[in-house]
Amino acid sequence: ETGVTQSPTHLIKTRGQQVTLRCSSQSGHNTVSWYQQALGQGPQFIFQYYREEENGRGNFPPRFSGLQFPNYSSELNVNALELDDSALYLCASSFAGVASNEQFFGPGTRLTVL
Amino acid sequence: KNEVEQSPQNLTAQEGEFITINCSYSVGISALHWLQQHPGGGIVSLFMLSSGKKKHGRLIATINIQEKHSSLHITASHPRDSAVYICAFSPGGATNKLIFGTGTLLAVQP
Repeated sequence: ETGVTQSPTHLIKTRGQQVTLRCSSQSGHNTVSWYQQALGQGPQFIFQYYREEENGRGNFPPRFSGLQFPNYSSELNVNALELDDSALYLCASSFAGVASNEQFFGPGTRLTVL
Repeated sequence: KNEVEQSPQNLTAQEGEFITINCSYSVGISALHWLQQHPGGGIVSLFMLSSGKKKHGRLIATINIQEKHSSLHITASHPRDSAVYICAFSPGGATNKLIFGTGTLLAVQP
């Protein structure tokens, strides 16, 4: 059983650019959630994907968008990057449909916007 | 006011000490989670509980639903316990998203 993986590990972009972050969910999981963690803060929920559809969204602007693929892997896309987008981006996978809400986190992608 | 409040924000302990981290929340929840985050970012789930108490090794988590309060205890602390400990809850509903506290930075000195 493989865990949650994310790529890339680190990324440096400049303001105004676009970025795509990738997440492979744990084997058997059908739900992926994305979180943004600014330095010194707890993670903030961006959105969740379940069976390739967005299944809930946090307080993030539309320039944050996502996809989930038939194999349940997922992408987070951020357009028109701003300095405040610099953060650790975490994805977490889980299996919807069981009583457990336990989520399994990937190692994160650290994004720096200059 | 944050929906999840943790205390203390920073904690320094000597090896072997008993440690308590507290978490208060202000809304109804489906489950309360305790997670550990090491430098570098990776988050590991320690406990998920909706009532009572759970124990895993030297870690104990308790929750009081009526008081909307949870505690994480570490017995016989060790330097390898040094990490950020984060309290989070699942509000329930259509998603199983987590609402996180800001974390407690624990440093255990030898």
